[in-house]
Amino acid sequence: AQKVTQAQTEISVVEKEDVTLDCVYETRDTTYYLFWYKQPPSGELVFLIRRNSFDEQNEISGRYSWNFQKSTSSFNFTITASQVVDSAVYFCARQTGANNLFFGTGTRLTVIP
Amino acid sequence: DGGITQSPKYLFRKEGQNVTLSCEQNLNHDAMYWYRQDPGQGLRLIYYSQIVNDFQKGDIAEGYSVSREKKESFPLTVTSAQKNPTAFYLCASSNFALQETQYFGPGTRLLVL
Repeated sequence: AQKVTQAQTEISVVEKEDVTLDCVYETRDTTYYLFWYKQPPSGELVFLIRRNSFDEQNEISGRYSWNFQKSTSSFNFTITASQVVDSAVYFCARQTGANNLFFGTGTRLTVIP
Repeated sequence: DGGITQSPKYLFRKEGQNVTLSCEQNLNHDAMYWYRQDPGQGLRLIYYSQIVNDFQKGDIAEGYSVSREKKESFPLTVTSAQKNPTAFYLCASSNFALQETQYFGPGTRLLVL
């Protein structure tokens, strides 16, 4: 099966610490997209980033950064100087050619003030 | 404001009853999707539609039905054949172009009485 694995079920950090959420995926496709979504307590999934399999450049957006390594099939997400508002469940997902998303089981991040 | 709306926020179903969850979008997206989320798990695809009057089964379509009569609307019916319907249901939409980003609605929580 072409899985998406988020091995960290729950992580707790103290405010202002940096935290990295891991994502490892399997795929037989040469072209694919990877995503990260945030699910706050309200339940709605908020889109964070979409990355093409041909683009291995790391990306930074404010306190968020993403490290895509095709050689290890990983797409890790780092939050720098975490804040309480970052507390949520974060999902990594891979998209197939039919536009369907396969999600990991999520990592629950708790930022302690 | 453009976006995706789902109603109701909470829905209660009695044994043997069919219930319908509403999903509407004003983003002019061609494709729409229904996902189911169980506690501690990622999202799983129920049905998707890439164009009006056409839809395909996802990974867990049994016990569910959909229609796509209008571009803006993609209602999901949870039938009495779905033996374990208690879950959080999320609707999403995207442009039809290959592997475009899916944007999600706020979700409907379905509970069985």
